[in-house]
Amino acid sequence: DAKTTQPPSMDCAEGRAANLPCNHSTISGNEYVYWYRQIHSQGPQYIIHGLKNNETNEMASLIITEDRKSSTLILPHATLRDTAVYYCIVRVKGGGADGLTFGKGTHLIIQP
Amino acid sequence: EPEVTQTPSHQVTQMGQEVILRCVPISNHLYFYWYRQILGQKVEFLVSFYNNEISEKSEIFDDQFSVERPDGSNFTLKIRSTKLEDSAMYFCASSLGQDGPYEQYFGPGTRLTVT
Repeated sequence: DAKTTQPPSMDCAEGRAANLPCNHSTISGNEYVYWYRQIHSQGPQYIIHGLKNNETNEMASLIITEDRKSSTLILPHATLRDTAVYYCIVRVKGGGADGLTFGKGTHLIIQP
Repeated sequence: EPEVTQTPSHQVTQMGQEVILRCVPISNHLYFYWYRQILGQKVEFLVSFYNNEISEKSEIFDDQFSVERPDGSNFTLKIRSTKLEDSAMYFCASSLGQDGPYEQYFGPGTRLTVT
């Protein structure tokens, strides 16, 4: 699986959009970008994934650049409960048996 | 909404003892996983399980670890002879299948403390 690079920490004001970047310059054509988050030692929580098109669900939006070398997770209206470590993970399609490789992620702190 | 459950939430054991951590994956999921997270460190993959056998395992998953699906609902991780360094949060996860980009759903974890 391709490696990802994320900033170690970010701050965002409550109610504002939080934009979390991720670089994955060695991503392959059959690899998806996944985002998970972990709130204070709870189990990681799936947020969203995408291949090349932008995606949106009830939690977040995922913007993937045209060359697929980077992506941005957007939390449109951040709340204090969104304070967590956010992980960007690249993984092949069909890799059901493969474990996820978690990096250090980005510690997002939502400020009141 | 269906979720992965784990028991116990906290297990304290003495070094050298055997422990069994239990998980109930989401009912229609086919792939099951164990991960661990030592305090302050990254979440690490241990093992994946499909069709009643291990699919993949990491270097961490040595002979002291084993997994089992003893019935149609439970998925267990056994540590035969615990060491101090096994103290960690252990997370179970499950996913729907293989062919699609299926996301993994994680349980709340079991905190294992080895004294």
